[in-house]
Amino acid sequence: QSALTQPASVSGSPGQSITISCTGTSSDVGTYNLVSWYQQHPGKAPKLIIYEVTQRPSGVSNTFSGSKSGNTASLTISGLQAEDEADYYCCSYAGNRIFVFGGGTKLTVL
Amino acid sequence: EVQLVESGGGLVQPGGSLRLSCAASGFTFSGYWMHWVRQVPGKGLVWVSRIKTDGSITGYADSVKGRFTVSRDNAKNTLYLQMNSLRAEDTAVYYCARDDHLSYWGQGTLVTVSS
Repeated sequence: QSALTQPASVSGSPGQSITISCTGTSSDVGTYNLVSWYQQHPGKAPKLIIYEVTQRPSGVSNTFSGSKSGNTASLTISGLQAEDEADYYCCSYAGNRIFVFGGGTKLTVL
Repeated sequence: EVQLVESGGGLVQPGGSLRLSCAASGFTFSGYWMHWVRQVPGKGLVWVSRIKTDGSITGYADSVKGRFTVSRDNAKNTLYLQMNSLRAEDTAVYYCARDDHLSYWGQGTLVTVSS
């Protein structure tokens, strides 16, 4: 059960777009379309922003989008805003009743 | 309004036990699988366990398998995590979350394993 691989940090200026990658294996991300993404601000509980690779929960801004290619899922945030500065985590079902998170990515809005 | 409230955290010695609770309200608790996720302060999220609606199916991360047991009482709308043989590396904030992609989370309860 190795953690999914995410970049430790990414940054972008307001209005720009950034992409965060989440690399797993053929046993998790590559096999299941059950990748979700969470946003976590300091001292707060995580918030679901993308599920089933591309789906956005009601109330989540359409500036957030998800995709997947092979063993790598991606989260794109377009039109960066200051409030997007947070930690982002991917999560995938890994079969055998197991789930696995990525190590997390700290997004800095410059 | 969906609410999940964890409790039961605290300081425990290595080798000790603790039972966490997660009180659910605002939705039909018996209709959802539930998860436990933990986070060392300042570090990343780590999936711990999941339990089916009726408690008949459970799953655990390798790091806790054989030491932790997840259970639920649908009559009390409460999720539990029994943690035995605790180690220093189990120190973390423990969150419960509703399945359907972990759409709702509690605020967490801190478990500290230290002598």
